[in-house]
Amino acid sequence: DAKTTQPPSMDCAEGRAANLPCNHSTISGNEYVYWYRQIHSQGPQYIIHGLKNNETNEMASLIITEDRKSSTLILPHATLRDTAVYYCIPRAPRAQGGSEKLVFGKGTKLTVNP
Amino acid sequence: DAGVIQSPRHEVTEMGQEVTLRCKPISGHDYLFWYRQTMMRGLELLIYFNNNVPIDDSGMPEDRFSAKMPNASFSTLKIQPSEPRDSAVYFCASSLWGTNTDTQYFGPGTRLTVL
Repeated sequence: DAKTTQPPSMDCAEGRAANLPCNHSTISGNEYVYWYRQIHSQGPQYIIHGLKNNETNEMASLIITEDRKSSTLILPHATLRDTAVYYCIPRAPRAQGGSEKLVFGKGTKLTVNP
Repeated sequence: DAGVIQSPRHEVTEMGQEVTLRCKPISGHDYLFWYRQTMMRGLELLIYFNNNVPIDDSGMPEDRFSAKMPNASFSTLKIQPSEPRDSAVYFCASSLWGTNTDTQYFGPGTRLTVL
């Protein structure tokens, strides 16, 4: 499994964009980058995933560098409810022979301040 | 859909007692996962099932831990005998093969305290 490096903590002002970086320099060619978050006292929640193209959904945007060694999760207008630990997880889809396992690192603790 | 349901939400027990944690996955999902979260070790996968069959239990810490999935809508994680170091939040998650995202949906967790 590819190793990841994320800053342990970040702060963001409410209403501003939160940009959470992740380094995954050993990512394999068939591994996607998945992002989950865990709000305090809740189970982790899927946010978004991508292979090499930028992705956007109702929750966030994901920017992956051309060499795929790093990515950035963007919350365009952070709210207090976005305060959580954010995990970046490289993983190949099961349909492509990947593991069913999610390997969680330490993640980034994002605090959105009023 | 109600999502993944876990019970109890909180459990306090004394060392040596048997503890049973329960999970009802999302209807129709064919994978079920048990995770444990502690401050020291973070979130770690204990075991997972596919179509009620255990596939990988390499994360189960020791023989005191056992998990079963008697049918597609129910799973248990049992600790016997429990020890203080088993204190943690235990999460159950489920997913469905063949979906684009391979998303795992997590339950609210069971907070276990062993005194």
